[in-house]
Amino acid sequence: DGGITQSPKYLFRKEGQNVTLSCEQNLNHDAMYWYRQDPGQGLRLIYYSQIVNDFQKGDIAEGYSVSREKKESFPLTVTSAQKNPTAFYLCASSTGTVVETQYFGPGTRLLVL
Amino acid sequence: ELKVEQNPLFLSMQEGKNYTIYCNYSTTSDRLYWYRQDPGKSLESLFVLLSNGAVKQEGRLMASLDTKARLSTLHITAAVHDLSATYFCAVGLPGGTSYGKLTFGQGTILTVHP
Repeated sequence: DGGITQSPKYLFRKEGQNVTLSCEQNLNHDAMYWYRQDPGQGLRLIYYSQIVNDFQKGDIAEGYSVSREKKESFPLTVTSAQKNPTAFYLCASSTGTVVETQYFGPGTRLLVL
Repeated sequence: ELKVEQNPLFLSMQEGKNYTIYCNYSTTSDRLYWYRQDPGKSLESLFVLLSNGAVKQEGRLMASLDTKARLSTLHITAAVHDLSATYFCAVGLPGGTSYGKLTFGQGTILTVHP
């Protein structure tokens, strides 16, 4: 079955530590996105990529980094510079046409120890 | 900067009743999306609205778009418990460097009770 997978489901970060969240899709989608969701709030865009080896900052990119070396994969690193990383992180993908809806993965919940 | 506002943010409904969720946005756009999120889960796409006057229906949910008023509505007919979830609208900027970007509303938490 085609879909988006995210791992791990839960992730614990110690202060000063970088952690990486995985996102993989087998939908053959060109575009991929990372969102952050805080309790009781909507989604905010962190980074997005329309094509391999290219990505753009979203609205809240500070303290995060990404790479897009393969079409199927778009990992997100939460760096130690992100002072308030506790949130639910959602990865999404789309075909890349302007009008297409985005399809979301199951999410990773990041907690700070 | 595009802003998207939903109201109400919290909606408690009795089964069998009708209600409407509103989504207002601040700048010109011709594409609007509705998503559903169950507690602790990911987002599920409900509707894609791409033109002024567009109307889409699925079961007890009907979504419409008025681009001139910068308003979309999600109407719930004869609510049932299974519709309890958080509903988000999201608006896309018209092309260019913002290609593919969506701005989400805060979400409306819907609870349907007997």
